[in-house]
Amino acid sequence: QVQLVQSGAEVKKPGASVKVSCKASGYTFTRYYMHWVRQAPGQGLEWMGIINPTSGSTSYAQKFQGRVTMTRETSTSTVYMDLRSLRSEDTAVYYCASGDAFDIWGQGTMVTVFS
Amino acid sequence: EIVLTQSPGTLSLSPGERATLSCRASQSVSSSYLAWYQQKPGQAPRLLIYGASSRATGIPDRFSGSGSGTDFTLTISRLEPEDFAVYHCQQYGSSPRTFGQGTKVEIK
Repeated sequence: QVQLVQSGAEVKKPGASVKVSCKASGYTFTRYYMHWVRQAPGQGLEWMGIINPTSGSTSYAQKFQGRVTMTRETSTSTVYMDLRSLRSEDTAVYYCASGDAFDIWGQGTMVTVFS
Repeated sequence: EIVLTQSPGTLSLSPGERATLSCRASQSVSSSYLAWYQQKPGQAPRLLIYGASSRATGIPDRFSGSGSGTDFTLTISRLEPEDFAVYHCQQYGSSPRTFGQGTKVEIK
């Protein structure tokens, strides 16, 4: 079936980097753009950026410019989100989601930034 | 950036009642590219409505969306026990995609 499966929870220290993966299956990987969205504890949803899985081109929310990199590996139908210079405010569940309207969501990856 | 404001913040209703949720945009949403999502605790959001009024696959017809321009509404005609959750609106017509802050529908 159509699904996005993300990598497991991470605990990082302030200043470190985290790389979250999202593997697509059940559909043609290059058909839909992939987005990353995060949700801090008890908060709303925050869009981080988008990657075109065909070309690899990206567009990031201004808030994350310079700190985030999204990449893809077409051979494994996987996209990655790399967030650097982590701070406590980056503690959140990170989701990948595909489609124009976000039809398909990953299960989420909890990233905890803790000194 | 388009700012989406949802109201009310919390809606307290009983099963069987009608729920009306509002999403107002700071500027016109292009081509009604407005979506609604349902989120339950510990789960990823689920797409309910796209294009302001089209139901996603498998969504019951008690859920309906309406509106255009800057004012959008999600209506749940008769609340079922499984409908108590948080609802988010989102615009995907321009970048950055933005979400509202969410409306919690709780059992009265």
